[in-house]
Amino acid sequence: AQSVTQPDIHITVSEGASLELRCNYSYGATPYLFWYVQSPGQGLQLLLKYFSGDTLVQGIKGFEAEFKRSQSSFNLRKPSVHWSDAAEYFCAVGFYQAGTALIFGKGTTLSVSS
Amino acid sequence: DTGVSQDPRHKITKRGQNVTFRCDPISEHNRLYWYRQTLGQGPEFLTYFQNEAQLEKSRLLSDRFSAERPKGSFSTLEIQRTEQGDSAMYLCASSWRGGPNNEQFFGPGTRLTVL
Repeated sequence: AQSVTQPDIHITVSEGASLELRCNYSYGATPYLFWYVQSPGQGLQLLLKYFSGDTLVQGIKGFEAEFKRSQSSFNLRKPSVHWSDAAEYFCAVGFYQAGTALIFGKGTTLSVSS
Repeated sequence: DTGVSQDPRHKITKRGQNVTFRCDPISEHNRLYWYRQTLGQGPEFLTYFQNEAQLEKSRLLSDRFSAERPKGSFSTLEIQRTEQGDSAMYLCASSWRGGPNNEQFFGPGTRLTVL
């Protein structure tokens, strides 16, 4: 069965430090990959997506992610974290056939320390 | 483009009562999705519409749950005889067929608390 794993439930990073959030997926075909961010009481905001092409994708708010097919991974990175980045981050996988459900990981909560 | 809207934002009900939530998708989107998110979990798919047709339902959608999208625009999700286990955030999303495949835009959610 298709699944998405985010191994880190909670990460604390110092403001200004770099960040990497891990995401691994289990899926037999070429996936569509997404990272969403959710602030407390808010809906999900798309940070970036990968469909095909360049495996390093740039997103909003200075985030980037790299698709590594050999590792079935799509890790999210940011070179310098800001206090406003504290939120919950979800990795999601979409099926090839457009219009079907996304499968989400359980999320990683990011705390930023000063 | 005013985004996906959901109403109400919060709902508190007593066990056994029926509740109904509404979702208004982005106007040009013809696909609409419902997800449920419980504490500490990612969103889980419930059901999906293309226009007014309900094309897919998850096993999570028990017979107490029903969703409609009568005119292919807004959608409603009804839960009958609510149980405490139904307490969750109910998220609606929409997408545009023909656009970047499966990019779904989410609403703010309806938080349901069943007492």
